[in-house]
Amino acid sequence: AQSVTQLDSQVPVFEEAPVELRCNYSSSVSVYLFWYVQYPNQGLQLLLKYLSGSTLVKGINGFEAEFNKSQTSFHLRKPSVHISDTAEYFCAVSGYYSSASKIIFGSGTRLSIRP
Amino acid sequence: DAMVIQNPRYQVTQFGKPVTLSCSQTLNHNVMYWYQQKSSQAPKLLFHYYDKDFNNEADTPDNFQSRRPNTSFCFLDIRSPGLGDAAMYLCATSRDGGFTDTQYFGPGTRLTVL
Repeated sequence: AQSVTQLDSQVPVFEEAPVELRCNYSSSVSVYLFWYVQYPNQGLQLLLKYLSGSTLVKGINGFEAEFNKSQTSFHLRKPSVHISDTAEYFCAVSGYYSSASKIIFGSGTRLSIRP
Repeated sequence: DAMVIQNPRYQVTQFGKPVTLSCSQTLNHNVMYWYQQKSSQAPKLLFHYYDKDFNNEADTPDNFQSRRPNTSFCFLDIRSPGLGDAAMYLCATSRDGGFTDTQYFGPGTRLTVL
């Protein structure tokens, strides 16, 4: 069975500082990993996903994530954050369920940017 | 733009009074999902449709039902809402429900139960 752990429930960062949001997963089968972002009072939006190939994945809004199989991690990074990055970030793994796959979400990390 | 639309964005109902939430999509995706998201928690999958094939999660209460009359529309019916059902309800779609598919989410309906 797949599961996802986001180690930090909240991450406060100053504007223009770098940030890393941590995610660890467990899976006994091939892994497909995702980061979704949820802005206040909105639905979730895909930031990036790892399917195969290069372990460094680039996404929207300047975010990137690195798949590390040996450490079973998929940490999200951004070199310089902006106020507009304030949101909840969910790491997720794709799992199998009857007629369609389902996404198993981590508990989320709330990123707050201080001016 | 192709999108997932949810109506209404905010819904207030009374304890025990049935309520229906609506979702429509212009993406022509085969799979539609309903999630419940409580404050500061991850979205919890309630059920999904693959085309007309309905798939319920094992821990989804019987109080929650769904209908998908056609490809574009999907409804969430809460037969007798309790105070614990107050939450954000998210609809999502994916093309074929494959492991690598992206899910596209609507903006959500925030349900308040008085």
